[in-house]
Amino acid sequence: EVQLVESGGGLVQPGGSLRLSCAASGFTFSSYWMSWVRQAPGKGLEWVANIKQDGSEKYYVDSVKGRFTISRDNAKNSLYLQMNSLRAEDTAVYYCARVGATNQFDYWGQGTLVTVSS
Amino acid sequence: QSALTQPASVSGSPGQSITISCTGTSSDVGSYNLVSWYQQHPGKAPKLMIYEGSKRPSGVSNRFSGSKSGNTASLTISGLQAEDEADYYCCSYAGSRWVFGGGTKLTVL
Repeated sequence: EVQLVESGGGLVQPGGSLRLSCAASGFTFSSYWMSWVRQAPGKGLEWVANIKQDGSEKYYVDSVKGRFTISRDNAKNSLYLQMNSLRAEDTAVYYCARVGATNQFDYWGQGTLVTVSS
Repeated sequence: QSALTQPASVSGSPGQSITISCTGTSSDVGSYNLVSWYQQHPGKAPKLMIYEGSKRPSGVSNRFSGSKSGNTASLTISGLQAEDEADYYCCSYAGSRWVFGGGTKLTVL
């Protein structure tokens, strides 16, 4: 059974940093692109970033470029999102998602809440 | 990176059919046959319902179907059931990035 479990969310002040983690199991993690998708409270879904199987390619939504860094450790079956210079508008539930063969998000974690507030 | 356009809400009675539209541009929906649809119940993670515009993952009811014409994709749910009440999001691959619709709240009357 595919499982994705996020952790690392919490309350952080504007300008602060946070590192999210996603532990994957039930599939060959190193064979898949992986993504982060977020959802602000009461709002819709927004793709944030994704990373190729070997970490050689990374893509970001414009609003987080230069502030967020996606990474992975295939030996630990883990995906990460380093978030720096956080802003109030980054407040959201952050989901880890597996990218299927035809660019669909076929499995999702339960999400971890990030709140940016003073 | 504008969001795809979906109606904010749709409703239908049990047993009826409804269709949710998703309008993008020639840079996303119109360029790729890679539209996916997600169902999200309150407080839960999204669930993949349709991919590649019209394909259903294993375990998804055949009451759910998808289609695309030009820059607009559509999700149709036939034989509405109470458990279909949820938020639905479309998503299109757009060349090394993805763009979601704003979401549609489906109410089963």
